[in-house]
Amino acid sequence: SQQGEEDPQALSIQEGENATMNCSYKTSINNLQWYRQNSGRGLVHLILIRSNEREKHSGRLRVTLDTSKKSSSLLITASRAADTASYFCATDAINNAGNMLTFGGGTRLMVKP
Amino acid sequence: DAGVTQSPTHLIKTRGQQVTLRCSPISGHKSVSWYQQVLGQGPQFIFQYYEKEERGRGNFPDRFSARQFPNYSSELNVNALLLGDSALYLCASTRGGYTGELFFGEGSRLTVL
Repeated sequence: SQQGEEDPQALSIQEGENATMNCSYKTSINNLQWYRQNSGRGLVHLILIRSNEREKHSGRLRVTLDTSKKSSSLLITASRAADTASYFCATDAINNAGNMLTFGGGTRLMVKP
Repeated sequence: DAGVTQSPTHLIKTRGQQVTLRCSPISGHKSVSWYQQVLGQGPQFIFQYYEKEERGRGNFPDRFSARQFPNYSSELNVNALLLGDSALYLCASTRGGYTGELFFGEGSRLTVL
């Protein structure tokens, strides 16, 4: 079973628009991470936000974390066609087993040129 | 530097057969994790190995086993294959045993007929 749920499941926007994806999770966490996956290939790490952080930026990415609501959002600004991919949130739960991340079901983003 | 490498990239098996998947971590990384990703879903944690010892095991049957070698490479074995084992199997490595950023390989796509 997966801890997180992402919303929306699919998102289609025009190039230049902003894309916002949301993630909800169920248990207390050490950190939350976002990954990107192109067409069923390997996942690429985008950003990690710790449980004591509320917002983090990396280039065109902005991540927020609200531990009281057990939710996070990923904002991609000024989107490009190359941003077309699936985006997954993943949580490192407190007292997890080893190096285990629990992934959500993902948001499939399509950016139209 | 080479990233995480996995082999084979694609394979087809029939029900009841056994499969071995291989993973070489990034040089200097001592931890390897395995994830299963069924089409349309997020990855699910199978195992983590650190310094050749099992550090975590996900909710998978005993048909799934793994090991890590002295050079930190790893094998995932699945016995008595079922149709439901068809998936992308992802290997990820990290330098230590903590849960920070995971570096993923491109995966091994297993189809069970």
